[in-house]
Amino acid sequence: GENVEQHPSTLSVQEGDSAVIKCTYSDSASNYFPWYKQELGKRPQLIIDIRSNVGEKKDQRIAVTLNKTAKHFSLHITETQPEDSAVYFCAASRVLFSSGSARQLTFGSGTQLTVLP
Amino acid sequence: NAGVTQTPKFRVLKTGQSMTLLCAQDMNHEYMYWYRQDPGMGLRLIHYSVGEGTTAKGEVPDGYNVSRLKKQNFLLGLESAAPSQTSVYFCASKVLAGVGLADTQYFGPGTRLTVL
Repeated sequence: GENVEQHPSTLSVQEGDSAVIKCTYSDSASNYFPWYKQELGKRPQLIIDIRSNVGEKKDQRIAVTLNKTAKHFSLHITETQPEDSAVYFCAASRVLFSSGSARQLTFGSGTQLTVLP
Repeated sequence: NAGVTQTPKFRVLKTGQSMTLLCAQDMNHEYMYWYRQDPGMGLRLIHYSVGEGTTAKGEVPDGYNVSRLKKQNFLLGLESAAPSQTSVYFCASKVLAGVGLADTQYFGPGTRLTVL
C-alpha cells in the first residue's frame, strides 16, 4: 500500500519568514496530493491540492510543488502569520478503480507549525 | 447546510462495552469515510463507503464495523471496545465525480473516544 512520510514533525518560524514542509510517497499510482490544516481541537480542512499533471500550484501565500519522478511534494507558506500556527498534514491519493471515482487518502504524520510573533 | 456532523462529540467507555458513532452529511455526497487520528500518526482510514448499502475495509478495520443504510448516514460500530481504540474519530464525505474532478474530502468535527 501507499506510504507517506512527512518532515519535519515540528517547525518554528518567526512571523514573516517562510515555512516549508516536505512529504514523500511510495505508490507511483498516486495522482492527487492534498494538504490539510488542523487547528487545535478542530477538524482537518483542505488548504491546497495538486494533481500529478501539474508541477506547481499557488494560492496567495501558499504554494505546493510536486516532483513525480522523485515522488515528493512540498508545502510552502510565505510571509507567515501567527494564525498559520496549526498542524499540517500532507496526503497522497489514488483512485480506487473498482469503486469508480472513490479515493483513498493516505496521510503523513503531520507537522506542528508554530509562528512566533 | 450543516455539512458533515458527528454524534457524539465525546464518549468514555469501559473495556468490552459497545457503541455506535454516527456521521451525517447533508451535501448529497456519495462517498463517506471513517478515520481515526492518533498522536504522531496522522489520520488512518478505517472503513469507507462508495454508496448506500456498500462498505469496504480501509487500512485499520479490525475491531470496527460500519453500515450505510441511508445515503446521508454512515455509522461506525465498536462491538467490544478496547483501550487501543482510544482515539479521535473523524468522518469525511466526498461528492461523486469523474476521475480528476472534485476530489476534496470534507471532514466532520470529530468524536473523542476514551476506552478505560
